[in-house]
Amino acid sequence: DTGVSQNPRHKITKRGQNVTFRCDPISEHNRLYWYRQTLGQGPEFLTYFQNEAQLEKSRLLSDRFSAERPKGSFSTLEIQRTEQGDSAMYLCASSLGLADSGANVLTFGAGSRLTVL
Amino acid sequence: DQQVKQNSPSLSVQEGRISILNCDYTNSMFDYFLWYKKYPAEGPTFLISISSIKDKNEDGRFTVFLNKSAKHLSLHIVPSQPGDSAVYFCAASPGGAGNNRKLIWGLGTSLAVNP
Repeated sequence: DTGVSQNPRHKITKRGQNVTFRCDPISEHNRLYWYRQTLGQGPEFLTYFQNEAQLEKSRLLSDRFSAERPKGSFSTLEIQRTEQGDSAMYLCASSLGLADSGANVLTFGAGSRLTVL
Repeated sequence: DQQVKQNSPSLSVQEGRISILNCDYTNSMFDYFLWYKKYPAEGPTFLISISSIKDKNEDGRFTVFLNKSAKHLSLHIVPSQPGDSAVYFCAASPGGAGNNRKLIWGLGTSLAVNP
C-alpha cells in the first residue's frame, strides 16, 4: 500500500470551469476526509465519509462543491463553476475508525493544488 | 474565532537544543490533541497525540505536555535535528457522542533547526 494518493497534484483552471479531484485512501481505512488549506492557515474540514456514507459536511462546502465515495473506496471532490477564492490545496485523509472511538489519526495525501485564474 | 491557537508563526533553534512549540485552545470540550508535521509539497504527517486524561505523552525525542486548567499544550523536541525543520500543526478533537470526529487545527508554527 502506497498510502493516500491524490490526483491530479496540481490543476490550473479558468474561472467558471468545473474541476474534479480524486482520492484513493489506504485500502483498509473506512473513513475518508476532505480538507482545504490556504496559505498560512491550518487545514479546514470540508466533509467526511464513513464507508460510502457522507456523514458530515462543513458549511464551507457550498452547493458548488460535491463529494462522493460511491463504493466506499476512492472518493471524488468536484467543484463546479470555480471561483478565484476556490484556489487552495485540497487535502484528502483517511483513517481506520472504530465505533465510538476517539479522534482518529489521519493519514494525509500530498494534496491537490487548485489555481483558478 | 480561532479555537486552536499557535501564537508563534515561526521558531528557530540550534541543532541539538530543545524546541518547544506551544498551542492554546479555547473549547473545554476538546478531549484529544494531536501534533502533525508538514514538509513542503506534502500532506501533514501524524507525530504524537495526547488524551485529556493524561498530562504527558512521550515518543522518542518528542514529548507532548497538556495543562488542562490553562488550556495549553506544548510539544518538546529534544534534541532537535535539522530534519525536524517543518511546519508543526496542533489539532484538537471536540468531545461528543458517537464516532463522528473532526479535527480543529491551529495555523501552524514553522520550525527551523539550524546546523
